[in-house]
Amino acid sequence: DAKTTQPPSMDCAEGRAANLPCNHSTISGNEYVYWYRQIHSQGPQYIIHGLKNNETNEMASLIITEDRKSSTLILPHATLRDTAVYYCIVNPPMGGGSNYKLTFGKGTLLTVNP
Amino acid sequence: GAVVSQHPSRVICKSGTSVKIECRSLDFQATTMFWYRQFPKQSLMLMATSNEGSKATYEQGVEKDKFLINHASLTLSTLTVTSAHPEDSSFYICSASSAGQVDTQYFGPGTRLTVL
Repeated sequence: DAKTTQPPSMDCAEGRAANLPCNHSTISGNEYVYWYRQIHSQGPQYIIHGLKNNETNEMASLIITEDRKSSTLILPHATLRDTAVYYCIVNPPMGGGSNYKLTFGKGTLLTVNP
Repeated sequence: GAVVSQHPSRVICKSGTSVKIECRSLDFQATTMFWYRQFPKQSLMLMATSNEGSKATYEQGVEKDKFLINHASLTLSTLTVTSAHPEDSSFYICSASSAGQVDTQYFGPGTRLTVL
């Protein structure tokens, strides 16, 4: 079962920032927060991940609250091509011989409108 | 970098036949590959995890004799759906991770299987 809660859908105007929330109140101390997105009829695409510090890359920023019980993915200037289902996933880091699994919930369908 | 391909992208087959789907990591060595299945309007469900050179680990409820997985090299994994039936029609997606970046999975574009 997914350990995260996300709104089922959100809308955003093209060119504006899209802020996608995720609740993960039962996150463990060694679990990371990962974000992936899936454009319709394509495979998921990795966006970003973090443990407790805020992270930024060329695609997005990830803001994790101090208590780590929630996070926000920020797309600074959304475009029409950012319309997709965004998945927030919590997972321990791979290692120690354990299998690394991604458990996908229902995600948030972000629709970027012109 | 980190590109994963799948072949074919779409396949239509008759009930009772077998279908093989290939997953390749094009620019990195995939020590671990994963196979997912996605039904319409649903999320991805992990089917199995395979490490190069060893047997795949299947998720509960996934028949290993029906969904044969081979991970013979560091760049290729195959999923064979044996004796396919219409209920096997789905979107099959593979992903791969490397020893150098074990915390990130890179996904293929998916294969749409339709069983008539």
